Amino acid sequence: QVQLVQSGAEVKKPGASVRVSCKASGYSLNSFTAHWLRQAPGQSLEWMGWINTDNGNTKYSRKFQDRVTITGDTSATTVVMELSSLRSEDTAVYYCAKLYFDILTGYQFFEFWGQGTLVTVSS
Amino acid sequence: DIQMTQSPSSLSASVGDSVTITCRTSQYINNYLNWYQQKPGKAPELLIYGASNLQNGVPSRFSGGGSGTDFTLTINSLQPEDFALYYCQQSYNTPITFGQGTRLDIK
Repeated sequence: QVQLVQSGAEVKKPGASVRVSCKASGYSLNSFTAHWLRQAPGQSLEWMGWINTDNGNTKYSRKFQDRVTITGDTSATTVVMELSSLRSEDTAVYYCAKLYFDILTGYQFFEFWGQGTLVTVSS
Repeated sequence: DIQMTQSPSSLSASVGDSVTITCRTSQYINNYLNWYQQKPGKAPELLIYGASNLQNGVPSRFSGGGSGTDFTLTINSLQPEDFALYYCQQSYNTPITFGQGTRLDIK
């Protein structure tokens, strides 16, 4: 059974950076893309970016590309999302998710999710 | 970016009722539309992918339809566990975008 287990809640001051990790079990992250999304309180989901841990390629949302970095470890079981220059609007639950891609149909969807990590930005 | 507009933003229904949620996209996305259910404090769970394909393990009272720019999620014979938040999401291109959500409450 695939599981994505994220690191614990964080409280940060404005201007600081936060790192959230996501460890996969039940499959290797190789040859898949691991995505990061966030959900501010009472808001919808917002896609931030992904990493292909097979080759290290990344793609970020334009909204976050100046502040976010997604990396994968060499054993390809953990990915890390770092968000810098935090502000109060970054207070949210951050999720990692595994994207399923059907090469025949082109369908893509988030089939497995981490449990979420609450990041609170407050002075 | 593709904008996703869900309606209604909230609705109330009773156990046994049928409800339909709509999702409209700002541009053509073929059928690359997914639906998720989210319960308080939990990550979203996939219900429907490719506009009309039921994810494994999801009850058959859930169904999806539509193509192009207009999509629907229908839940027949509502059960107590169906009262939750529902989101549509497009996978046609990046950035991946979600609707603003529909809150389904018990009447």
